[in-house]
Amino acid sequence: GAGVSQSPSNKVTEKGKDVELRCDPISGHTALYWYRQSLGQGLEFLIYFQGNSAPDKSGLPSDRFSAERTGGSVSTLTIQRTQQEDSAVYLCASSYAQGKGYEQYFGPGTRLTVT
Amino acid sequence: GDSVTQMEGPVTLSEEACLTINCTYTATGYPSLFWYVQYPGEGLQLLLKATKADDKGSNKGFEATYRKETTSFHLEKGSVQVSDSAVYFCALSSPAQKLVFGQGTRLTINP
Repeated sequence: GAGVSQSPSNKVTEKGKDVELRCDPISGHTALYWYRQSLGQGLEFLIYFQGNSAPDKSGLPSDRFSAERTGGSVSTLTIQRTQQEDSAVYLCASSYAQGKGYEQYFGPGTRLTVT
Repeated sequence: GDSVTQMEGPVTLSEEACLTINCTYTATGYPSLFWYVQYPGEGLQLLLKATKADDKGSNKGFEATYRKETTSFHLEKGSVQVSDSAVYFCALSSPAQKLVFGQGTRLTINP
């Protein structure tokens, strides 16, 4: 079946602009996660959704970052007033349910470059 | 907080050599442990997992055993192939559901 999809695959933006990154989880997966992969910081957790609610936003690096999920499916990560340090690969993952034993399936990522 | 420490890379081996990539963790409670792999140009894929102490995860010839007494989850393979060249990430699943990753180990296998 279809895996996790993300769009766009690449995004180049100018410093100060806003960007939206989209994630389509695997159908039927109730939990959705955003991570960031960068050279300096490795793989970092950003935010987690169970259904449409976000019990854990602890990884969002600043108030310029926000995310929402609608209909228990698609999620959008928005970065306002982008900075060069936001350049990274943003990964989305989904799992069938919450719980530490459930596998998270990752999408291919969106590579964001802020110039 | 929870953390994962991985053996630093890069690691370069010849084909058919034995592989061990060390991973230790610090966590409250009883996390699940994972190894993820990222092949060149591809996304993260789950390689294997273990959900409780003394469990052994295995896949594609790779194995790792959840050792609670040493808080370790070392990745091993008896005979590596060129196709195993990739970046390997050790991770734990915290009670807060998120994955906490190690820094990754780049493995290169030469023919």
